[in-house]
Amino acid sequence: GENVEQHPSTLSVQEGDSAVIKCTYSDSASNYFPWYKQELGKRPQLIIDIRSNVGEKKDQRIAVTLNKTAKHFSLHITETQPEDSAVYFCAANQAGTALIFGKGTTLSVSS
Amino acid sequence: DTEVTQTPKHLVMGMTNKKSLKCEQHMGHRAMYWYKQKAKKPPELMFVYSYEKLSINESVPSRFSPECPNSSLLNLHLHALQPEDSALYLCASSPRGAGNQPQHFGDGTRLSIL
Repeated sequence: GENVEQHPSTLSVQEGDSAVIKCTYSDSASNYFPWYKQELGKRPQLIIDIRSNVGEKKDQRIAVTLNKTAKHFSLHITETQPEDSAVYFCAANQAGTALIFGKGTTLSVSS
Repeated sequence: DTEVTQTPKHLVMGMTNKKSLKCEQHMGHRAMYWYKQKAKKPPELMFVYSYEKLSINESVPSRFSPECPNSSLLNLHLHALQPEDSALYLCASSPRGAGNQPQHFGDGTRLSIL
């Protein structure tokens, strides 16, 4: 089955810096890769996703890149703000059905 | 309406109680999911309903019993739970159940087993 590894587990940056979170997946059949942001005590919120027929997708300060050959995808946040502080989860779909989540990255943005 | 609504928000129950968690969405989504989330861990898939039929059961103990009365509603019936079942239970929905659709989560029910 699919296995998703996520690094780093914690990330601390200064306000205005960029943050990068990386994930690798094992199943070459996976074709959908969402990213979720979860603030303390709140629901996971879908912030961006990418499909395997696209190499990069951007939405304002957030971008995701996908390298199908290497089976890895990354989340890039530019001009970080304190409200970006949260736990971020990557995920990949398994066998066209379930989502398998990475273990999460706790991002702390200090002002 | 882009929300998934879960009730109750909090639930405390004893190991011999029977209770139910409820989830509702009015986005016309045809797939609904139950996840269990422990503190500082990712969501773990429990069940998937696709077009009101159970399509995935991730080897969940029988003390958890899902039900999908219609395409907008999803229930999780609880009976004889154990203390280790204390967790945040999240419901999600997606347009279809193919696994390559955006999943939208509810706020969850925080369950405590005494």
